[in-house]
Amino acid sequence: EVQLVQSGAEVKKPGESLKISCKGSGYSFTSYWIGWVRQMPGKGLEWMGIIYPGDSDTRYSPSFQGQVTISADKSISTAYLQWSSLKASDTAMYYCARGQQSADYWGQGTLVTVSS
Amino acid sequence: DIQMTQSPSTLSASVGDRVTITCRASQSISSWLAWYQQKPGKAPKLLIYKASSLESGVPSRFSGSGSGTEFTLTISSLQPDDFATYYCQQYNSYFLFTFGPGTKVDIK
Repeated sequence: EVQLVQSGAEVKKPGESLKISCKGSGYSFTSYWIGWVRQMPGKGLEWMGIIYPGDSDTRYSPSFQGQVTISADKSISTAYLQWSSLKASDTAMYYCARGQQSADYWGQGTLVTVSS
Repeated sequence: DIQMTQSPSTLSASVGDRVTITCRASQSISSWLAWYQQKPGKAPKLLIYKASSLESGVPSRFSGSGSGTEFTLTISSLQPDDFATYYCQQYNSYFLFTFGPGTKVDIK
């Protein structure tokens, strides 16, 4: 069974760093792109970027380029989304999803709350 | 960048109704369009890919059509489990994917 399991909810202060994870199982992790999607409270879905764990080829939406870093460790079938300095406006649910076109499997989401 | 719009933004319907949601792209995206369903507190679920292909396990009451710039998602007979928000997503642009703003289907 294909599964993407994300790390748990986080509460951080502005200026802090954060790295959240997405662990794939039940398929060849290195053969499928993994994307990240943001959903701010009460809002729609925003595509952030995507990585191919096989060779770490990474692409970003222009809206998120320079704001976050996407990475992957294929040895443990895990993709990451990280921030070096969080802002209150980063408060959102973040989803990982498999697929370089339509996304057929999704993680359960990681809620990130940034508040002083 | 390709912009996506959806109409209506909210749709009130009853069980058994035929429901149609429209998605428009700012430029041609061929058939590179997907539809997702999202329920409160849950991750989105893929319903339709490549404009009209039904994802495995999705009930046949869901169907998609269109190409170019105009697309529709149709639910032939609305069921209680279908009250949710629906998003379209284009994947024509090389890794510059865009979601529509969503259509909430609620109970009339």
